[in-house]
Amino acid sequence: DGGITQSPKYLFRKEGQNVTLSCEQNLNHDAMYWYRQDPGQGLRLIYYSQIVNDFQKGDIAEGYSVSREKKESFPLTVTSAQKNPTAFYLCASKRGTGGAGTEAFFGQGTRLTVV
Amino acid sequence: KNQVEQSPQSLIILEGKNCTLQCNYTVSPFSNLRWYKQDTGRGPVSLTIMTFSENTKSNGRYTATLDADTKQSSLHITASQLSDSASYICVVVYNNDMRFGAGTRLTVKP
Repeated sequence: DGGITQSPKYLFRKEGQNVTLSCEQNLNHDAMYWYRQDPGQGLRLIYYSQIVNDFQKGDIAEGYSVSREKKESFPLTVTSAQKNPTAFYLCASKRGTGGAGTEAFFGQGTRLTVV
Repeated sequence: KNQVEQSPQSLIILEGKNCTLQCNYTVSPFSNLRWYKQDTGRGPVSLTIMTFSENTKSNGRYTATLDADTKQSSLHITASQLSDSASYICVVVYNNDMRFGAGTRLTVKP
């Protein structure tokens, strides 16, 4: 099946620990995105990548890091510098960087909780 | 200030009834507007996509409208079902960016 897969579905992090969220897509999409979703708020952009080996900061990049070594993969690392990491994280991909008519597909999300 | 505002924040209706969700936006220039359905704990799934020149689009019991002059969109759900209970998110695409509304939480009760 073609699609975008996030893992794990649930993740628990101890204080001061780095954790990495996985996002894989087999849709041959160029652009990939990471969003954070908090209750009562719209999705906020953390990082995005329009092409392999290149990525850009979004609105709330502090405390996060990404890599794009392969077209299919865009892992997100939540570092210990992120002081409030408990949230629902969504990965998305899109065929191109053009806005008109290109639909974004979302993964099923990872719920990260600090314990 | 959020560039995409949705109302109401939450809504409870009885099964079989119709409802309309609102989305107002200020982003410019505008490429297209999308409505997504998000079940609890899941990723959003696209319902409709409308470009500047389209003012209505249907997907089964879902009908979206767009007034690009007033920068307003609505999502009308007809003959609601229990499975319609979800959050509905309005997304405005401009340039290469997407701006998300906070969503409307719809609960359909039997």
